[in-house]
Amino acid sequence: EIVLTQSPGTLSLSPGERATLSCRASQSLPSNYLAWYQQKPGQAPRLLIYGASSRATGTPDRFSGSGSGTDFTLTISRLEPEDLAVYYCQQYGGSPLYTFGQGTKLEI
Amino acid sequence: QVQLVQSGAEVRKPGASVKVSCKASGYTFTNYYLHWVRQAPGQGLEWMGLISPSGGSTSFAQKFQGRLSMTRDTSTRTVYMEVFNLRSEDTAVYYCAREQLLNCFGFWGQGTLVTVSS
Repeated sequence: EIVLTQSPGTLSLSPGERATLSCRASQSLPSNYLAWYQQKPGQAPRLLIYGASSRATGTPDRFSGSGSGTDFTLTISRLEPEDLAVYYCQQYGGSPLYTFGQGTKLEI
Repeated sequence: QVQLVQSGAEVRKPGASVKVSCKASGYTFTNYYLHWVRQAPGQGLEWMGLISPSGGSTSFAQKFQGRLSMTRDTSTRTVYMEVFNLRSEDTAVYYCAREQLLNCFGFWGQGTLVTVSS
């Protein structure tokens, strides 16, 4: 089973600061099948990044994804108050086929 | 625009079953897998399984083998997820989600709260 470990568990920052969220896989991910989601309180998750670094439709360009193999990063360049959310990474290709990290809570 | 609309909240007793629906619109129904993902209160996201709307084939996470069923009705563009022999730990919000490029979940339903309580 591929396990995704996200760090830190909680990140407290101020508006305008840069946020760096980490997602580490227990095995190398094939073809960078790694995505990032944002979940605001009381809402369904929303796709932000797919293929490790491609922004989904509607994702602001201050969100960027990077990494390969086992280490992946979501960066938010200039935080805004509405970025308060839990962020999840997700992989495809292991067993089970799809797994999520445990999430990073971003406090603004 | 792509929309996934789920059925309403349900309450069940332990040992019962529950069936949740997800009606799709705004795209060619048979072209994309639909998945079910659940989230227990205050917890993270857990992938349960997927269904191919074109042929009806399914794939489930090992954890749910034998306790989960997924079906579809192409005439109404609706997929169904049924969980059998419910336990208190099945209390969660259940989401349907449509797959997109590179095996991620591009569109989500609004979620259905299932509460299992005696």
